[in-house]
Amino acid sequence: EIVLTQSPGTLSLSPGERATLSCRASQSVTITYLAWYQQKPGQAPRLLIYDTSSRATGIPDRFSGSGSGTDFTLTISRLEPEDFAVYYCQQYDSSPLTFGGGTKVEIK
Amino acid sequence: QVQLQESGPGLVKPSETLSLTCTVSGYSISSGYYWGWIRQPPGKGLEWIGSMYHNESPYYTPFLKSRVTISVDTPKNQFSLKLSSVTAADTAVYYCVRVHPSRFKPRYFDYWGQGTLVTVSS
Repeated sequence: EIVLTQSPGTLSLSPGERATLSCRASQSVTITYLAWYQQKPGQAPRLLIYDTSSRATGIPDRFSGSGSGTDFTLTISRLEPEDFAVYYCQQYDSSPLTFGGGTKVEIK
Repeated sequence: QVQLQESGPGLVKPSETLSLTCTVSGYSISSGYYWGWIRQPPGKGLEWIGSMYHNESPYYTPFLKSRVTISVDTPKNQFSLKLSSVTAADTAVYYCVRVHPSRFKPRYFDYWGQGTLVTVSS
């Protein structure tokens, strides 16, 4: 099983600031099979990024993904009020499909 | 517009079987995607349960494999989850999802139901 560790657990930032979220895998994720999701309280998660860096339909370009091997990053270039939420990474290189523990982006 | 909607009991007794159904609208369940279930215990993270293509053997997490069954009902455009011998640890919000395939395997989750809370308690 590939274990994903997200850091930091909580990120306290102000609107307009840049957010950098990390996802580290316990073994190499081949073929960039990594996705990112956003979850707001009381809602289902929403797909943001797939294949490490491809934005899902309707996702604004302030969200970007990068990385390879064991280290992956989600960047939000300028935080909007609606971006404060919990973010999860997910690997789909091997079964079982696994998620990281999440990073909460909160308003400072 | 693809939509998924979970249905089923919100309360299940310990040792009994949890049964949920997901009704899909806006997309044919036999048209090239996997379908699956993910759960989230209250206040915790996400756990993949399993995924299935309509005419293939399902993929399950090994941690639940002995208790899980996912099946697809193509004429009704629905798929279902059964989890047997439940305990309090199975209390969670259960999401049904559409699963994007790549290289003939389930990969990431592009559409989600709203989720349904299932509580295991006597």
